[in-house]
Amino acid sequence: SQTIHQWPATLVQPVGSPLSLECTVEGTSNPNLYWYRQAAGRGLQLLFYSVGIGQISSEVPQNLSASRPQDRQFILSSKKLLLSDSGFYLCAWSGPGGSEKLFFGSGTQLSVL
Amino acid sequence: RKEVEQDPGPFNVPEGATVAFNCTYSNSASQSFFWYRQDCRKEPKLLMSVYSSGNEDGRFTAQLNRASQYISLLIRDSKLSDSATYLCVVNRNDYKLSFGAGTTVTVRA
Repeated sequence: SQTIHQWPATLVQPVGSPLSLECTVEGTSNPNLYWYRQAAGRGLQLLFYSVGIGQISSEVPQNLSASRPQDRQFILSSKKLLLSDSGFYLCAWSGPGGSEKLFFGSGTQLSVL
Repeated sequence: RKEVEQDPGPFNVPEGATVAFNCTYSNSASQSFFWYRQDCRKEPKLLMSVYSSGNEDGRFTAQLNRASQYISLLIRDSKLSDSATYLCVVNRNDYKLSFGAGTTVTVRA
């Protein structure tokens, strides 16, 4: 069966520090991978998606970047965090060919202070 | 206009009651629709898909109205464990889903 792992679960970082969140998927090949952010009381905002190794699409301009160095690994990064980067970050995967159903990792609660 | 809009609630209902709420979407070309459930500080999980005229899964019924561009979720015989935030999700016909901000349901004993 397919599983998705995301870590860490919580993170407190000072403004201006770097960020690296990692997500891995097991039990499937060539998944579509996604990073979402959820601010308090708001809907999930798609940050990045990837349909293959090295293929990254960004939805909104921001202080973050994403990379997919391996088929089932997706990394969210920042060189310098801003206060506005605080939120609940979720990695997700879907089968290749379209995002009919998304399966989410357990999320990372990021607080930038 | 937001792509997906939901009544945030909260809907406070007693156990055994029926609760229903809607979600509207702006893209008339949308083809697929879903309801996800999200517990506090947890990841969203797929509750059910909504295709064509809607479908039923146990105590949950989802309806789709393409003419008015809304979908609904009805929960019958509410249980305490149904307390959660319900996210309306619409497929934008590419690789991306659009999420509503969620409707909070609280079932009380």
